[in-house]
Amino acid sequence: GAGVSQSPSNKVTEKGKDVELRCDPISGHTALYWYRQRLGQGLEFLIYFQGNSAPDKSGLPSDRFSAERTGESVSTLTIQRTQQEDSAVYLCASSLFRGQDTEAFFGQGTRLTVV
Amino acid sequence: AQSVTQLGSHVSVSEGALVLLRCNYSSSVPPYLFWYVQYPNQGLQLLLKYTTGATLVKGINGFEAEFKKSETSFHLTKPSAHMSDAAEYFCAVSSGSARQLTFGSGTQLTVLP
Repeated sequence: GAGVSQSPSNKVTEKGKDVELRCDPISGHTALYWYRQRLGQGLEFLIYFQGNSAPDKSGLPSDRFSAERTGESVSTLTIQRTQQEDSAVYLCASSLFRGQDTEAFFGQGTRLTVV
Repeated sequence: AQSVTQLGSHVSVSEGALVLLRCNYSSSVPPYLFWYVQYPNQGLQLLLKYTTGATLVKGINGFEAEFKKSETSFHLTKPSAHMSDAAEYFCAVSSGSARQLTFGSGTQLTVLP
């Protein structure tokens, strides 16, 4: 596609439910990032995929959070047993990661509200 | 390890005044540096980036930034603020073989009439 696509754009869920967020990166981009942005705050790094390397999961806030990526395509971020503090915009970005071309392109985000 | 510090979470300037948003980074290897802008209710878009070569880089909307290795800084400037510049600005660094992107905490720019 022309850009990074995230779905759904908005998600309201009840506390304790599981949610799955999807990110379609730009075709050919080997690097993929997930960030969380709470209201009025900066970007909090969650996880980073780079090609076939083991992902950097150091930013995941708890074991309720997990993410997968198949090859260099779609990634899903799963939050189990959601809590109200999980409410935030979840941003996905992808990058070509070739030489100096490391610009990250961002999706519009998924706004998650846990009620 | 790499990190980014943005001094000032909120900056206010008058329309037509100089905009200066500060960014300092920490990296053990030569970094790539970026400024992203986030307009209200929109995603992040790249303003400008430094990879190698000329240390003064120009971006969109009249913004520019200068890479100063000795000061480990990459401050963002614009000579004359416009109302449409009101947004949140994020500085980011990418370094090392993994080229992971690390963001600062952001600076909210308000432009006063």
